[in-house]
Amino acid sequence: NAGVTQTPKFRILKIGQSMTLQCTQDMNHNYMYWYRQDPGMGLKLIYYSVGAGITDKGEVPNGYNVSRSTTEDFPLRLELAAPSQTSVYFCASSFHLSGSYNEQFFGPGTRLTVL
Amino acid sequence: KNQVEQSPQSLIILEGKNCTLQCNYTVSPFSNLRWYKQDTGRGPVSLTIMTFSENTKSNGRYTATLDADTKQSSLHITASQLSDSASYICVVSDNSGGGADGLTFGKGTHLIIQP
Repeated sequence: NAGVTQTPKFRILKIGQSMTLQCTQDMNHNYMYWYRQDPGMGLKLIYYSVGAGITDKGEVPNGYNVSRSTTEDFPLRLELAAPSQTSVYFCASSFHLSGSYNEQFFGPGTRLTVL
Repeated sequence: KNQVEQSPQSLIILEGKNCTLQCNYTVSPFSNLRWYKQDTGRGPVSLTIMTFSENTKSNGRYTATLDADTKQSSLHITASQLSDSASYICVVSDNSGGGADGLTFGKGTHLIIQP
């Protein structure tokens, strides 16, 4: 199993550009999540999904969109990039809801810089 | 508001020495507490998960303790190795079912092992 994979690993965007961060998991997990990690800060939840076709906002959803057309894929879309979105983005998945007594698996992250 | 505080922010120890990292939380209702290891440039990887009834849990040279009465946890690393250099993140779940992932992430302790 590859686990959770993310692409790209690094990206530099100009203000106002758009991009999609890709996330795929091969563990047949229903639950998937997008987090951002700013320097010196704890991870913040952007969006999450409890299954194909179902998504919901997390703590910091503004400026982002997601979709979940399949169990495996959970892309994150930035429509109008802003410098405040400079961060490291992590995708994660779990079999049950992450707050439950079950392990959450993280991808390697995408480092995004908006200039 | 749920909070997770970790100390120290950073720590430098010599290879072979032991160390203890601290985590204090104000999360309610409490469901479980987990420790993650995050290597530089990688995603977090789970070390332990503990529920209210578990006081101690080990994973190799890592031993986590939990005192649910004082809302404190510690992660003890025995006989440190260079590969232990990483950030260690404490995460507490409220599993309140109020939406999102029910997780509150600490900012992490950055541990450096020197030869």
